[in-house]
Amino acid sequence: QLQLQESGPGLVKASETLALTCTVSGGSISSSSYYWGCIRQPPGKGLEWIGTIYYTGTTYYNPSLKSRVTISVDTSKNQFSLNLNSVTAADTAVYYCARQVGRGAWYFDVWGRGTLVTVSS
Amino acid sequence: QSALTQPASVSGSPGQSITISCTGTSSDVGSYNLVSWYQQHPGKAPKVIIYEVSKRPSGVSNRFSGSKSGNTASLTISGLQAEDEAHYYCCSYVPTNTLLFGGGTELTVL
Repeated sequence: QLQLQESGPGLVKASETLALTCTVSGGSISSSSYYWGCIRQPPGKGLEWIGTIYYTGTTYYNPSLKSRVTISVDTSKNQFSLNLNSVTAADTAVYYCARQVGRGAWYFDVWGRGTLVTVSS
Repeated sequence: QSALTQPASVSGSPGQSITISCTGTSSDVGSYNLVSWYQQHPGKAPKVIIYEVSKRPSGVSNRFSGSKSGNTASLTISGLQAEDEAHYYCCSYVPTNTLLFGGGTELTVL
């Protein structure tokens, strides 16, 4: 059974970089059938798609975050990572990793439990 | 990119049916059959209940159904049950190669 686990610091200082790692277990991140996505949810608010990566390294980003976001993949570790730089309090959120069903489908069928990241001033 | 438009809240009594709308534009919801719906209980990760407008993943109750007309997608829950009380989010493909969520709808089962 495929599982995703987010990991990273729960507290980040304003203006610094938020770095999260998503570890995939029970399946291969190199599967040609799937992409891998990052989604966030500020406390008490709705979901926001951050970006998506394919195992080859191809990436797609939310235009509103594109200038600050980098998603990368390490197939040897079955992991993908999110970097969000120049963070502010508005970036405080629960960050989720999720598996995105392959080309043409564009939905998330397996989600991690999420991790809360708080940006402090 | 503004969020897709959903009602903030809906409610219904057990056994009734409710419908949640999700309005986009002719560039996203209206042009692609790539709308998905997610159910999220408090403190939990979202769970996909509908994809590609009207398809149900294995294991999802057939009380959940999806449809689309023009720029508006809809999620209908029939035979409402207490366990359906949750937040519901729609999501649509937006060219080129991006995704947009709705603002979310809180469903209360009276």
